[in-house]
Order: sequence, then C-alpha cells, then structure tokens
Amino acid sequence: QQQVKQSPQSLIVQKGGISIINCAYENTAFDYFPWYQQFPGKGPALLIAIRPDVSEKKEGRFTISFNKSAKQFSLHIMDSQPGDSATYFCAASKGDGSARQLTFGSGTQLTVLP
Amino acid sequence: GAVVSQHPSRVICKSGTSVKIECRSLDFQATTMFWYRQFPKQSLMLMATSNEGSKATYEQGVEKDKFLINHASLTLSTLTVTSAHPEDSSFYICSQSGTYEQYFGPGTRLTVT
Repeated sequence: QQQVKQSPQSLIVQKGGISIINCAYENTAFDYFPWYQQFPGKGPALLIAIRPDVSEKKEGRFTISFNKSAKQFSLHIMDSQPGDSATYFCAASKGDGSARQLTFGSGTQLTVLP
Repeated sequence: GAVVSQHPSRVICKSGTSVKIECRSLDFQATTMFWYRQFPKQSLMLMATSNEGSKATYEQGVEKDKFLINHASLTLSTLTVTSAHPEDSSFYICSQSGTYEQYFGPGTRLTVT
C-alpha cells in the first residue's frame, strides 16, 4: 500500500517559472510532512516541512501548501532556477512513542531550463 | 553544516566479499539511526532502524543475516553487507533521527562486480 503518492514523476520548467509538486497521503495519523531535495549522488537534504495545524509555510522561494481535509500537500518553488534542478521527495511521519519513520513519495525529477 | 557523515563514499567489491559502511553523527548523540537503500531513479527504501545498544529492527523482506547493523555507540552505526552480490549494488544512505526531522548522510555508492 503506497501511503504517500507523489506527482508528477518529472517536471520541466523554464527559469523564473513556478514549479509545483503534489503529494497525497492516506494515513490520517501522519502529523509531520517534510520535503527533501536530492542532487545526483548525494543524500537527501531537508528543504522545508509543515505540521497539519497550519495551511501554508513559506521559506524563501519555497512554499508548502497543506490541505488537511483533502489529505494533500504541495511544494511550490517560485522563480525557479537551474540550480533547483534536482529530485524532490515528499514524506510523512507520525509519532507513536518511538523514533519517527518517514514514508516517502516516489519522487519528482525537476529540470529548470536556463 | 553536515550533521551525518558516511564512509566510504564509494566502494567497489568483488562478489562474495563483505563490505562495511560507517555512519557517524557529527553534532549530537543519535539514539536512533536509519539505513536506507536507493536504486537509480527510485525513492528511498527503509532497510532497518538502528538503536544504540540494542538489535536493529529490519523491514519486511530485508535479510538481517545479510545486512548486519551495529550501533555500539551514540555516534556510530555500521552496516555490513555480507557475501555481496551484484544485485546488492545500490546507493546506501543512513539518517539520524531528530525530534521530527531526519538528517541524511551523503550516501555510499556500492558496486559489486
């Protein structure tokens, strides 16, 4: 059972455009939703994260929009730059007293054209 | 700066041999660390949860006798791939558990010839 569904699989955007990546989850117990950025041959790096008590979080050019009722969240990259070209993973986790495990989406390969 | 380091970054070994990958926490003590495997153009797959001073918890389908995990100190967890085969060639990544976040290491590219 894929608990976090991510789309699109790949995305090509012109420099200066807006990149939008969407994720949907099934488990209502999830209460932490991070986005990770991964460059080829590197480990994922935490980009931005949100808790379900807010509908939006913005950090610089990166914004997470969160819709609790629809069980969906998305990453918006404003003014996309060629340096943003990477693979982006959404994830979700829940707390149950032990260390939190992340459930990852399938990833989106973003290409920003110069 | 980096909070988790991995060594080696790349390793090539012959089929049938064993290889050890180290994962170190650099800035705080990590009671729990996670080990992932990532195949090309795929997402991260959790292999096991490593707890300091106790046995690792393996995900379904991961052979615990093949992928030996040791977490003897709060700053070091190791993954040993025993009797490696070409199908074990992959990108292995560890992570350190924070309150909510996970901080990932730079990964180790394993190639088994």
